[in-house]
Amino acid sequence: DIQMTQSPSSLSASVGDRITITCRASQSITTYLNWYQQKPGKAPNLLISAASSLQDGVPSRFSGSGSGTDFTLTISSLQPEDFATYYCHQTYNPPQTFGQGTKVEIK
Amino acid sequence: QVQLVESGGGVVQPGRSLRLSCAASGFIFKNYGMHWVRQAPGKGLVWVATIWFDGSDKYYGDSVKGRFTISRDNSKNTLYLQMSNLRAEDTAVYYCARENGFYDRSGSQRNALDIWGQGTMVTVSS
Repeated sequence: DIQMTQSPSSLSASVGDRITITCRASQSITTYLNWYQQKPGKAPNLLISAASSLQDGVPSRFSGSGSGTDFTLTISSLQPEDFATYYCHQTYNPPQTFGQGTKVEIK
Repeated sequence: QVQLVESGGGVVQPGRSLRLSCAASGFIFKNYGMHWVRQAPGKGLVWVATIWFDGSDKYYGDSVKGRFTISRDNSKNTLYLQMSNLRAEDTAVYYCARENGFYDRSGSQRNALDIWGQGTMVTVSS
């Protein structure tokens, strides 16, 4: 199975900060990588597909990059509604796997 | 609107069975692969199972293989998860999700889970 490792597991940041979350795959997954945002008590919401394709309606402050084994999710200017947990997700091979999540908290 | 609604969760004793349902609306259900993903309390997301758009192929996570069965009825726009021999570690919120195709910068098609239900809680406890 392909292991997905996110870092950091959590981070504290302030409104307006630029933050980056990384996701590393245990083998190459080319661009079969997605990012989701999840708020407490809610279902995950797809932010970015295919490593860098922003979903309709997702603010442009979110961006994704990478291919192969190393990927990043960047929020250019953190907003109050962005405090949540973020997950990467690979669909290269079954079983599909998620990273362990990165919780973004208010400093 | 495009929507997935799970049902069938509840409290069940270890070793017993439970069937979850996911009703789809607002899109052509038979055209999409579907997934179940679960989340134990306070933990991360874990992929459980997937079924092809026509039901012709299915895959399972190692932790549920041989105990859970994914199926669908395209005439009823409904996805199912039959869970047997339940264990305490199966306690989680279970989400159904739609798989859709998207393109990377080179134009290659990839896939992601773009529509999720609200989840249904399954508690396995004596």
